[in-house]
Amino acid sequence: QVQLVESGGGLVRPGGSLRLSCAASGFTFSDYYMTWIRQAPGKGLEWVSFISSNGSTIYYADSVKGRFTVSRDNAKRSLYLQMNSLRAEDTAVYYCLRPYYFDYWGQGTLVTVSS
Amino acid sequence: EIVMTQSPATLSVSPGERATLSCRASQNIRRSLAWYQQKPGQAPRLLIYGASTRATAIPARFSGSGSGTEFTLTISSLQSEDFAVYFCQQYHNWPPLTFGGGTKVEIK
Repeated sequence: QVQLVESGGGLVRPGGSLRLSCAASGFTFSDYYMTWIRQAPGKGLEWVSFISSNGSTIYYADSVKGRFTVSRDNAKRSLYLQMNSLRAEDTAVYYCLRPYYFDYWGQGTLVTVSS
Repeated sequence: EIVMTQSPATLSVSPGERATLSCRASQNIRRSLAWYQQKPGQAPRLLIYGASTRATAIPARFSGSGSGTEFTLTISSLQSEDFAVYFCQQYHNWPPLTFGGGTKVEIK
């Protein structure tokens, strides 16, 4: 069965960096585009980033452009999100998902940006 | 960017009653619409995709309708486990993929 397991979240100070990982299993990872979605505490869902199956096409939300970098390693069946210059408003649970609608969800990983 | 607007923000319903949730897109998204249910402390769960196709293991009391810019999620007879927040999402025109702000279905 499809599994997506996010990790790497934690508490970080404003301006700091964090790298999130997502381990995928149960499907042919290299065939799929992947995306990151986040949800701030008590708020709605926000799309963050998108990467094509071979990594050649990448998109970012305006709110993270220039600060976040998405990447993938198909051999390791893994998706990554490098987050730099973190702000308080980046505090959220981050989910990695197979687009375009989302039928499989992991537990997410919580990123808290606070001094 | 396609803006998704859900109404109402909160819906108070008695168990056994019907609940009707609305989602409006700022431009035509054909039938590229999904609905999710989210309970406290849990990840969202896909209910509906393609505007009206139930996802795997979703009970028949959940139904979706609409196309273009106006969409509806109907829960025919609310069960206790259905009290939650519901989100709609468009995937017709991206990036970005966009979500509605959510409707909280609470016990009346």
